[in-house]
Amino acid sequence: DADVTQTPRNRITKTGKRIMLECSQTKGHDRMYWYRQDPGLGLRLIYYSFDVKDINKGEISDGYSVSRQAQAKFSLSLESAIPNQTALYFCATSDLRQGKAFFGQGTRLTVV
Amino acid sequence: GQQLNQSPQSMFIQEGEDVSMNCTSSSIFNTWLWYKQDPGEGPVLLIALYKAGELTSNGRLTAQFGITRKDSFLNISASIPSDVGIYFCAGQTDSWGKLQFGAGTQVVVTP
Repeated sequence: DADVTQTPRNRITKTGKRIMLECSQTKGHDRMYWYRQDPGLGLRLIYYSFDVKDINKGEISDGYSVSRQAQAKFSLSLESAIPNQTALYFCATSDLRQGKAFFGQGTRLTVV
Repeated sequence: GQQLNQSPQSMFIQEGEDVSMNCTSSSIFNTWLWYKQDPGEGPVLLIALYKAGELTSNGRLTAQFGITRKDSFLNISASIPSDVGIYFCAGQTDSWGKLQFGAGTQVVVTP
């Protein structure tokens, strides 16, 4: 089983709909992240959380919100989806000591 | 915004050739990581570096942590078709900081 699991893997939604992407991890890490990937732009940080009570905005947080329900769960919501939020979304976890990040397999989101 | 500059953006190489890519930063990092992303998958960690001057290998991959702590290099020797993908560098300024990623280097290997 994957250490970092994202659901769904693929999703097509309509403009204006609310959608939630979920992430769960079995690595026992405190730190969790949501990234967005667009062609040629690399990985851009949306939100990150260093523990259950900590939520921080990344470089592109507008239009997104997150919830850290437990150490192992970190969900990303698009309150009112728009077409330019069509992208590949990745959840990641990392440990404090070594800083290594481990990624889920991604969610491909299409907003039509 | 992104503080890491990764180059080149893309490389088209023949099978058997060596590949070299690098990342530079205006900030000092205490950790450098290199990842590979296959199409449709999440990035996978290749090499982690923690000390200035450190040179670490993983099979045909070798990465170095620059002496100034502001850069890092990744070399792939004798490339093979499965080396195709996007390679990302990532850096962390301190243990409490978040990881920052470069924009990636797209590697295409032709037979």
